[in-house]
Amino acid sequence: GIQVEQSPPDLILQEGANSTLRCNFSDSVNNLQWFHQNPWGQLINLFYIPSGTKQNGRLSATTVATERYSLLYISSSQTTDSGVYFCAVERSRGSTLGRLYFGRGTQLTVWP
Amino acid sequence: NAGVTQTPKFQVLKTGQSMTLQCAQDMNHNSMYWYRQDPGMGLRLIYYSASEGTTDKGEVPNGYNVSRLNKREFSLRLESAAPSQTSVYFCASSEGYYSNQPQHFGDGTRLSIL
Repeated sequence: GIQVEQSPPDLILQEGANSTLRCNFSDSVNNLQWFHQNPWGQLINLFYIPSGTKQNGRLSATTVATERYSLLYISSSQTTDSGVYFCAVERSRGSTLGRLYFGRGTQLTVWP
Repeated sequence: NAGVTQTPKFQVLKTGQSMTLQCAQDMNHNSMYWYRQDPGMGLRLIYYSASEGTTDKGEVPNGYNVSRLNKREFSLRLESAAPSQTSVYFCASSEGYYSNQPQHFGDGTRLSIL
């Protein structure tokens, strides 16, 4: 498979603060997705970003595929941002082509 | 649009019982997936169906079977449930297995095996 490591494992913020979540992966990828799992357990696809930078409101993501990492930025955090953020990648070669591998996630808690 | 719909949302089984988890998508996607999520872990792929009529094993297939009933529906069966299969199960779909498109998830089924 492929190793996907997310950091930090836990993050506690006050409302209004900014944060950066990191995802490192061990092999070449052609698919990288960021998900938010809210406190009710629902998984929401935030970004499909195999390379480059994308922005969606207060959230943005950057993937540097050649250096095997991706960053998720959350600006002006709100209590509704709380939950677990997952990075998932697909190897660009080998027998597991097409298969997503998930990291263990970053648990974000935003206090009012 | 409903997106990906999973039933049931919760279920409690006794060891040895069988059960089928249902999943349906209305996005005309070709590929469908079943994952399990255990506490403190990311999702792990159980089985997937790259296209209608095909199914294949993922990372953790032991103890499960699947059926791709048609393009919309993909079911997961536990033939003889074990406590180790207590987990949250997610179904997902995407436009195509090799399409490099986002996966869209259902709300999950919380399954407890006593």
